[in-house]
Amino acid sequence: QSALTQPPSASGSPGQSVTISCTGTSSDVGGYNYVSWYQQHPGKAPKLMIYEVSKRPSGVPDRFSGSKSGNTASLTVSGLQAEDEADYYCSSYAGSNNLYVFGTGTKVTVL
Amino acid sequence: EVQLVESGGGLVQPGRSLRLSCAASGFTFDDYAMHWVRQAPGKGLEWVSGISWNSGSIGYADSVKGRFTISRDNAKNSLYLQMNSLRAEDTALYYCAKGRGFDYWGQGTLVTVSS
Repeated sequence: QSALTQPPSASGSPGQSVTISCTGTSSDVGGYNYVSWYQQHPGKAPKLMIYEVSKRPSGVPDRFSGSKSGNTASLTVSGLQAEDEADYYCSSYAGSNNLYVFGTGTKVTVL
Repeated sequence: EVQLVESGGGLVQPGRSLRLSCAASGFTFDDYAMHWVRQAPGKGLEWVSGISWNSGSIGYADSVKGRFTISRDNAKNSLYLQMNSLRAEDTALYYCAKGRGFDYWGQGTLVTVSS
């Protein structure tokens, strides 16, 4: 159960796009279409932004999109806004007996 | 409105035990798997344990296997985490989260393991 690998940081100016990668293995990200992404502002609980690789929960802006290729999933935030500055984590189902794993987290800065 | 309210955290000495609870409301509790996720101070999220709707499938992170036990009481809409043989590295904010996609989270309960 190793953590999924994310870049420690990413940044962009308002209106630009930023893409965060989440690299796992064939036992987690590559093996299942159960990758999710969470946004966490300081002192707050995480908020689900993307589930099942590319689905958006109700209320999440369509500026947020997800995709997957092989063992790597990605979250793209388009049209960056100041309120998008936060930590972002990916997670993946990792097999039977309800096993899951989170990514190492990426701090997104809006310049 | 979905609500998850964790309780039971506190300061505990290494080697001792603690039981966390999560009270759920606003959804049909026994339709969903539930999970515990923790976050050490200043660190990232770590999945701790998950339990299926009927307790038939249970999983643990390697870091807690053999020490922590997850359970649920569907009649009481409640999720539990029994934590034994606590270590300093178990110090964290413990969240309960709903469903396969962790679509709702509580605000967490802080566990501090220190002598």
